[in-house]
Amino acid sequence: SAVISQKPSRDICQRGTSLTIQCQVDSQVTMMFWYRQQPGQSLTLIATANQGSEATYESGFVIDKFPISRPNLTFSTLTVSNMSPEDSSIYLCSVRDRTNTEAFFGQGTRLTVV
Amino acid sequence: AQSVTQLDSHVSVSEGTPVLLRCNYSSSYSPSLFWYVQHPNKGLQLLLKYTSAATLVKGINGFEAEFKKSETSFHLTKPSAHMSDAAEYFCVVSEGGGYQKVTFGIGTKLQVIP
Repeated sequence: SAVISQKPSRDICQRGTSLTIQCQVDSQVTMMFWYRQQPGQSLTLIATANQGSEATYESGFVIDKFPISRPNLTFSTLTVSNMSPEDSSIYLCSVRDRTNTEAFFGQGTRLTVV
Repeated sequence: AQSVTQLDSHVSVSEGTPVLLRCNYSSSYSPSLFWYVQHPNKGLQLLLKYTSAATLVKGINGFEAEFKKSETSFHLTKPSAHMSDAAEYFCVVSEGGGYQKVTFGIGTKLQVIP
């Protein structure tokens, strides 16, 4: 299994500002995943972060809005840029096990934009 | 393409009575199916997974699910609900085996009444 620590656990931010979310894993992993969970909705994949290369973004998500860093095999950051109230969501970091049959999730970052 | 439908957004049961959370899926290939639980302010935790082995899958905390290909269903059950089962439950489908591209259901919020 993998233990994932996310920071911050929650934040309230002013519109127009940016927030960087950190994700730390207790083991080395090839891919890290960032999800968004909007109020009352399910999880949507934002992007996949590979160490040493550009993140791969899903349809509807762009690098300028959600820049991602992946400096090593245990750490990643997601930045929510130029925030608006529509960005209010829970953001979750996820990794998979070696057999790629189970995913592990951080506890999430609950973001409120006012 | 794949999709997953959780038929109930909210389910309410009395403590000690059976739990049934319904999930139907659509997949072009042999799917892998998962159930995750999310307790308030916590990350998602894997309850159980089906990856083409036995169709009746037993998970943690007394939960089990049966993969029924003819009905394209993967309903989650528990014989007797406990107060600690109150949480949100997500059905997840992945095509091609393992945890490739995944799709999350919208979630079912389980309420347990004392």
